[in-house]
Amino acid sequence: SAVISQKPSRDICQRGTSLTIQCQVDSQVTMMFWYRQQPGQSLTLIATANQGSEATYESGFVIDKFPISRPNLTFSTLTVSNMSPEDSSIYLCSVGGTGGGGEELFFGEGSRLTVL
Amino acid sequence: AQSVAQPEDQVNVAEGNPLTVKCTYSVSGNPYLFWYVQYPNRGLQFLLKYITGDNLVKGSYGFEAEFNKSQTSFHLKKPSALVSDSALYFCAVRDPNGATNKLIFGTGTLLAVQP
Repeated sequence: SAVISQKPSRDICQRGTSLTIQCQVDSQVTMMFWYRQQPGQSLTLIATANQGSEATYESGFVIDKFPISRPNLTFSTLTVSNMSPEDSSIYLCSVGGTGGGGEELFFGEGSRLTVL
Repeated sequence: AQSVAQPEDQVNVAEGNPLTVKCTYSVSGNPYLFWYVQYPNRGLQFLLKYITGDNLVKGSYGFEAEFNKSQTSFHLKKPSALVSDSALYFCAVRDPNGATNKLIFGTGTLLAVQP
């Protein structure tokens, strides 16, 4: 299994600011994903981070609000832009090997954001 | 569209008793099914999965799950619960015919094991 490190682990942010979350994996992986877990809620996929090309966003999520970078096969960033209190969530990076359907995803510890 | 349901927000069980956390799914074909556990202030940890073959799959920490195609269920079970099993459990499904590796998660079930 991959070891996934996320930074920051938690932060308190002011309304209107932006924050970038980093995800570092200890091995090269094909598929990287960003999930959001709102308080008391399940996980919702934000986007698939594609190496060398633009991320693929799920319905309800847009690049202007959640820009994503994936410069190589071990690293990705997610920025939460122009934050509002509704963005207070845990943001989770996950990776899934070669993308085969039967492979499980592995998750980082998450980045807990509180927006005041 | 694929979906997964966890009908119970919370399950309470006494330590030493068997536990069951329920999960039902909806996909167009044969599903890939997963269970994850989330301890407080932690990320998700993979427990077990069903891809094909034996309907009873065994996973980490003594957990197992049974795939039942006729009932479209994949309930998580453990013969004897521990207080340390108290956590949030998520069932997830992937459509093998889907174009991506996207996992769809259930709403989660909080397992509380009383000493």
